[in-house]
Amino acid sequence: EPEVTQTPSHQVTQMGQEVILRCVPISNHLYFYWYRQILGQKVEFLVSFYNNEISEKSEIFDDQFSVERPDGSNFTLKIRSTKLEDSAMYFCASLGTGRTGELFFGEGSRLTVL
Amino acid sequence: SQELEQSPQSLIVQEGKNLTINCTSSKTLYGLYWYKQKYGEGLIFLMMLQKGGEEKSHEKITAKLDEKKQQSSLHITASQPSHAGIYLCGADGSGATNKLIFGTGTLLAVQP
Repeated sequence: EPEVTQTPSHQVTQMGQEVILRCVPISNHLYFYWYRQILGQKVEFLVSFYNNEISEKSEIFDDQFSVERPDGSNFTLKIRSTKLEDSAMYFCASLGTGRTGELFFGEGSRLTVL
Repeated sequence: SQELEQSPQSLIVQEGKNLTINCTSSKTLYGLYWYKQKYGEGLIFLMMLQKGGEEKSHEKITAKLDEKKQQSSLHITASQPSHAGIYLCGADGSGATNKLIFGTGTLLAVQP
């Protein structure tokens, strides 16, 4: 069964460092998303991406965050200068050609900022 | 903005017992999704409901969406330890980008 894969599974970084989280969505999917979950809290929407551009973003997704689809397979989330409060599990998700239907989520990347 | 409230927040049941988890939306739902999450892992899709009054079942799990499309319930019959985890309802509030807003989650523990 096709799946969304994320790397790294866990990253520890120092405050102020740049971090890139990588995702490989399901190959024929067209809509891509990043969500985050701070420990013990809700899963929160960060950004959606379609046709090589951001289609929607939340208030959380400020200038420190950026997304990119550098080639035909990868979808990345970059945090330019990490803060302690960026520590969370980051989930990538993708959606197929229909505009309704299930989002397929990856296993997540745990980011710890020290 | 749309808010989803789940109840109960946590639940401990004996294996074999039935249970129900509720999800209430502050606005009409265009689509209601149920996901399951094991601690520290990704979200696994269970079911999606769109029409008022709709009901879907998969194995021992049944989900319903009320006629007004503001409340959904997830019912597990004869619970098993494999049902343990965090159950999340998600709403496609705008119907535009399939951005899901998630509820607060219900932690289910099943005691053998």
